[in-house]
Amino acid sequence: IAGITQAPTSQILAAGRRMTLRCTQDMRHNAMYWYRQDLGLGLRLIHYSNTAGTTGKGEVPDGYSVSRANTDDFPLTLASAVPSQTSVYFCASSAQGTTDTQYFGPGTRLTVL
Amino acid sequence: GQNIDQPTEMTATEGAIVQINCTYQTSGFNGLFWYQQHAGEAPTFLSYNVLDGLEEKGRFSSFLSRSKGYSYLLLKELQMKDSASYLCASTNSNYQLIWGAGTKLIIKP
Repeated sequence: IAGITQAPTSQILAAGRRMTLRCTQDMRHNAMYWYRQDLGLGLRLIHYSNTAGTTGKGEVPDGYSVSRANTDDFPLTLASAVPSQTSVYFCASSAQGTTDTQYFGPGTRLTVL
Repeated sequence: GQNIDQPTEMTATEGAIVQINCTYQTSGFNGLFWYQQHAGEAPTFLSYNVLDGLEEKGRFSSFLSRSKGYSYLLLKELQMKDSASYLCASTNSNYQLIWGAGTKLIIKP
């Protein structure tokens, strides 16, 4: 692994189903982030983690949860998917906080029907 | 409020120079980022300005005026591979990045 990986690459999901998007980084970065990107809108922060064991809410956290059990992994869970969660999801990491360069994973394209 | 504004789309000619502007209103400014994003790919870091002035990196330069809440990205000697979206982002008082919607740059031969 080099950098950040995300899985799956894409997914079609029925509304009401539970889904976990996976994110793993091997750069030993302290901070990790989940964003969603929709056409015509900027990247919007869903949840973040400044260090292993801590998480925080971003701009659009409703309907999503995260955990940070260790430095490398930062999964995002949709407990009961809804069509408005159709989006491209990017995971990112930075060495420390927001003023550090963020490195992005390749993204997960999620469609909720 | 917190807001990042940048043009939706710009067109330029191969070999020319283009300037992409960004204005921001964020309550806890701690620097301004520019990222490049090719279609279907992840954003990649271009530049970070925290002090006023121009920073040059090869064909790309970024400028910041904190008093005016204004930044621009200058791309010189445009190449076809520069066709991409350019994202402007600034920090808010919660130390989170607020992102503009991006400027889609179309390069014509």
